[in-house]
Amino acid sequence: QKEVEQNSGPLSVPEGAIASLNCTYSDRGSQSFFWYRQYSGKSPELIMFIYSNGDKEDGRFTAQLNKASQYVSLLIRDSQPSDSATYLCAVKKNSGGGADGLTFGKGTHLIIQP
Amino acid sequence: EADIYQTPRYLVIGTGKKITLECSQTMGHDKMYWYQQDPGMELHLIHYSYGVNSTEKGDLSSESTVSRIRTEHFPLTLESARPSHTSQYLCASTWAGDTIYFGEGSWLTVV
Repeated sequence: QKEVEQNSGPLSVPEGAIASLNCTYSDRGSQSFFWYRQYSGKSPELIMFIYSNGDKEDGRFTAQLNKASQYVSLLIRDSQPSDSATYLCAVKKNSGGGADGLTFGKGTHLIIQP
Repeated sequence: EADIYQTPRYLVIGTGKKITLECSQTMGHDKMYWYQQDPGMELHLIHYSYGVNSTEKGDLSSESTVSRIRTEHFPLTLESARPSHTSQYLCASTWAGDTIYFGEGSWLTVV
């Protein structure tokens, strides 16, 4: 089982609709969760991070975390063609030895259809 | 916006050559990272540093080496490039917090 799993897609969503991106992780000790957006040929850029169970909203984006189910999601409301990109879920384990860099999923390719 | 710079952005080099990918950040971040990403694949951590004179290998084994002589500078070196090293290399940094910022990446092609 991979440490961070995402459906690679592509996920196709009509413009103006809600895009829902899902991610599961295997390490119950994970503390911090991040969503990055990566356009083709570009580096990842941070969209949101979440630490606590529940929802966190920032503009059109909502991150949802359920630690009991080891599940984190990203909702994009009023999807725009410019939202078309690969969305990377990243997880940070507990600190205390070893690398504390992020572990990334493979990413979900999102396509917003005009 | 993060001030983290990578050079060169694109490099095509012959097998057996030595290359150094440069990474510099002007934010005074103590922690720096190198990730490797093949097209369409996930990022893998290959090296990290917690500060000057601190370097560690990451989760993915790599033949590259790194150094951290100055806080702002974290170069990655391949002593003898091979076609299997063809990939995108992403440098990243952070302060004590969790948010990691990426540079624009260096695309390496070994022919």
